Amino acid sequence: DGGITQSPKYLFRKEGQNVTLSCEQNLNHDAMYWYRQDPGQGLRLIYYSQIVNDFQKGDIAEGYSVSREKKESFPLTVTSAQKNPTAFYLCASSMTRNTEAFFGQGTRLTVV
Amino acid sequence: AQRVTQPEKLLSVFKGAPVELKCNYSYSGSPELFWYVQYSRQRLQLLLRHISRESIKGFTADLNKGETSFHLKKPFAQEEDSAMYYCALEGSTLGRLYFGRGTQLTVWP
Repeated sequence: DGGITQSPKYLFRKEGQNVTLSCEQNLNHDAMYWYRQDPGQGLRLIYYSQIVNDFQKGDIAEGYSVSREKKESFPLTVTSAQKNPTAFYLCASSMTRNTEAFFGQGTRLTVV
Repeated sequence: AQRVTQPEKLLSVFKGAPVELKCNYSYSGSPELFWYVQYSRQRLQLLLRHISRESIKGFTADLNKGETSFHLKKPFAQEEDSAMYYCALEGSTLGRLYFGRGTQLTVWP
């Protein structure tokens, strides 16, 4: 079953704790992305990676970190520095410019 | 700076009525534009892109560079069209998409 998989689907954490969201794809896509989806704000880009061992900040990178050690994997860490981490997080991947981006099912993170 | 504006947060029509979801963009170069859709309990997926000039599920979208718009249209809405629709722009960076805030379309029977 090809596609992009995010885990877990729901995640609860205490305030002040770091948490890592998983994103794996078997589409052989070079580029991967993390978006944050908040009601009424659409999707905002957190980080993206166009190639292994390289990544770039998006519009709202503060309080987040990523790694891209393998082509298939692009985990996102939400650190304690993120002031408002409760949100729905979407991971996506794409092959080249002007092609379809494939999205995961998302992870809903709740920090209490 | 790149920007995508979807002025309507909510849009409701009756089945069989025409529907138009508005999208305006701001970009200095030649944009690549997309419409993505998210049905209830499903993942976000591509509906159509302007370069393909396709009609998908009866939807079409025409790029108007003069008005910097990429409105999504369907002549006869169906109940199964109810979903959240996002307009997106790809700028100069490979695959980097700028999304509008989305329009929730509800088609009443």
